[in-house]
Amino acid sequence: DGGITQSPKYLFRKEGQNVTLSCEQNLNHDAMYWYRQDPGQGLRLIYYSQIVNDFQKGDIAEGYSVSREKKESFPLTVTSAQKNPTAFYLCASRWRPGVGEQYFGPGTRLTVT
Amino acid sequence: ELKVEQNPLFLSMQEGKNYTIYCNYSTTSDRLYWYRQDPGKSLESLFVLLSNGAVKQEGRLMASLDTKARLSTLHITAAVHDLSATYFCAVDMNAGGTSYGKLTFGQGTILTVHP
Repeated sequence: DGGITQSPKYLFRKEGQNVTLSCEQNLNHDAMYWYRQDPGQGLRLIYYSQIVNDFQKGDIAEGYSVSREKKESFPLTVTSAQKNPTAFYLCASRWRPGVGEQYFGPGTRLTVT
Repeated sequence: ELKVEQNPLFLSMQEGKNYTIYCNYSTTSDRLYWYRQDPGKSLESLFVLLSNGAVKQEGRLMASLDTKARLSTLHITAAVHDLSATYFCAVDMNAGGTSYGKLTFGQGTILTVHP
């Protein structure tokens, strides 16, 4: 089955720790995206990548980092510099930048205390 | 900067009634997407609208796009409880036919359908 997987589904961390969220897709999509969603809010773009070994900051990149070493994988690291990291994180992919709809993974709910 | 605004943000409907959700956006685009999100879940694609005048229908939902007015509508016909969810529109900003590669989302409309 083709799709996007995110792991883990729930993640708990202490303040001051970096944490990495996994996102893998087997759709052969070039473009991948990370969004953050806070309760009752819309989606805010953190980072996106249109091709392997390239990525751009989105609207709220501070305190986050990404890498895109393989087409299938786009991990997101939430660093200790991110002031309010508790949120629902969604990964998405798209066949080509600007072509077709985005498909979303199931999400990771991160809680930092 | 592209702005995408939905209204209403909250919509409480009775079963069997009709209503429309509006999505306005601020700059040129001819690609608009509608998504549904159930509580605690991810986003599911509903409609892809790729040209002026595009209309798509699926069951009790119908979406349309007017690129000149920079407006999309999501019309709900004879609402049922199963349609209760949050609905997002998203716009692909482009210029001269070239996309900037990322979607900008509206705030979402929380729809609750009552018996």
